Amino acid sequence: SQKIEQNSEALNIQEGKTATLTCNYTNYSPAYLQWYRQDPGRGPVFLLLIRENEKEKRKERLKVTFDTTLKQSLFHITASQPADSATYLCALDDDYKLSFGAGTTVTVRA
Amino acid sequence: GAVVSQHPSRVICKSGTSVKIECRSLDFQATTMFWYRQFPKKSLMLMATSNEGSKATYEQGVEKDKFLINHASLTLSTLTVTSAHPEDSSFYICSARDRRGGWDTQYFGPGTRLTVL
Repeated sequence: SQKIEQNSEALNIQEGKTATLTCNYTNYSPAYLQWYRQDPGRGPVFLLLIRENEKEKRKERLKVTFDTTLKQSLFHITASQPADSATYLCALDDDYKLSFGAGTTVTVRA
Repeated sequence: GAVVSQHPSRVICKSGTSVKIECRSLDFQATTMFWYRQFPKKSLMLMATSNEGSKATYEQGVEKDKFLINHASLTLSTLTVTSAHPEDSSFYICSARDRRGGWDTQYFGPGTRLTVL
């Protein structure tokens, strides 16, 4: 099964800056990779899906890249706001199911 | 997106009792649902895959007699924690698989906080 590593447990940034989160995997490159947001005491919320043949995907202030050579995905939050504070999880297909990283908790200071 | 509900959101029970948690997909039919468990500051741990009309598939180390799963319809899966003990206290989250876009996306319920006294 896949081993997924997200760069750090916590990321603190100033409002307005760009937060960059890293997701690395170890085995075969998945057909697609997903990012989710999870707030405390809540279930994860789907944000973005990027396919293996896509280099970049954008949704409003979010941008995701997927590099199958590096076995890495980067998740960017531009012009960050305090409301973006949450834990962000990457997930990729692993056999018939999704495997999740441990998540990176982002705190945006006003 | 899609909406998945989970009930109850919070439950406190005495040791030895059984607790049932419901997971419903509200606006799409889900032949497959998943049950996860999450400990504080840890990632989601898949417990089992629930398939409509057939037996659930449990992950290694998860006791199928302890965690009973029933997926009786295309919109409802239930997880019953039988003879609950304090070590079963956790945050349980369900998700429903959506393949309508041609890709495997999961939509999650809001979670159930179980506390066993």
